[in-house]
Amino acid sequence: DTAVSQTPKYLVTQMGNDKSIKCEQNLGHDTMYWYKQDSKKFLKIMFSYNNKELIINETVPNRFSPKSPDKAHLNLHINSLELGDSAVYFCASSRDRRTDTQYFGPGTRLTVL
Amino acid sequence: TQLLEQSPQFLSIQEGENLTVYCNSSSVFSSLQWYRQEPGEGPVLLVTVVTGGEVKKLKRLTFQFGDARKDSSLHITAAQPGDTGLYLCAGDAGGYNKLIFGAGTRLAVHP
Repeated sequence: DTAVSQTPKYLVTQMGNDKSIKCEQNLGHDTMYWYKQDSKKFLKIMFSYNNKELIINETVPNRFSPKSPDKAHLNLHINSLELGDSAVYFCASSRDRRTDTQYFGPGTRLTVL
Repeated sequence: TQLLEQSPQFLSIQEGENLTVYCNSSSVFSSLQWYRQEPGEGPVLLVTVVTGGEVKKLKRLTFQFGDARKDSSLHITAAQPGDTGLYLCAGDAGGYNKLIFGAGTRLAVHP
């Protein structure tokens, strides 16, 4: 069984569109995260949720809106996509907000044309 | 702003060679982690170091945390092609699992 899964794996879309990326973890973890990895492989945290509550909200355009329907899911919705949003987006989870080990999903490669 | 600088950025070596990757910062971190990422996959945690001066070994990989908890190193002995990948260090920036990542070292080990 996949611990942290993301859909879709690849997403190609036009500028201005709205898209969502879904993430699910079956580890029973309380805390989930979204990261963005740019073309230079620099990985930067965007958001973190603990038991459906937003606990980390980095300097991210408000076109990005995370949503956690339950603690096993953390989705990322992006409005009005821009060229600069092209990147690989990783979801991760950890047992709780203080536990070091984060388990990453396989990533979603977003390409905005 | 806490930053982690990794060096070298790229490393291309022959099988059997030894190598060291460095992760440096001017900030103190409560812990530092090393991850390995392969193409098309997410990072996978290798080790977490918490105590200043701590040394941890994982088979042919040796990890060290600096005494002042500002830097760390990863040493690989007798590298193998299977060690090829992107090595990332990450520091806990605030004790709430907010990880700050370095830019990574891309290692290629040739047979």
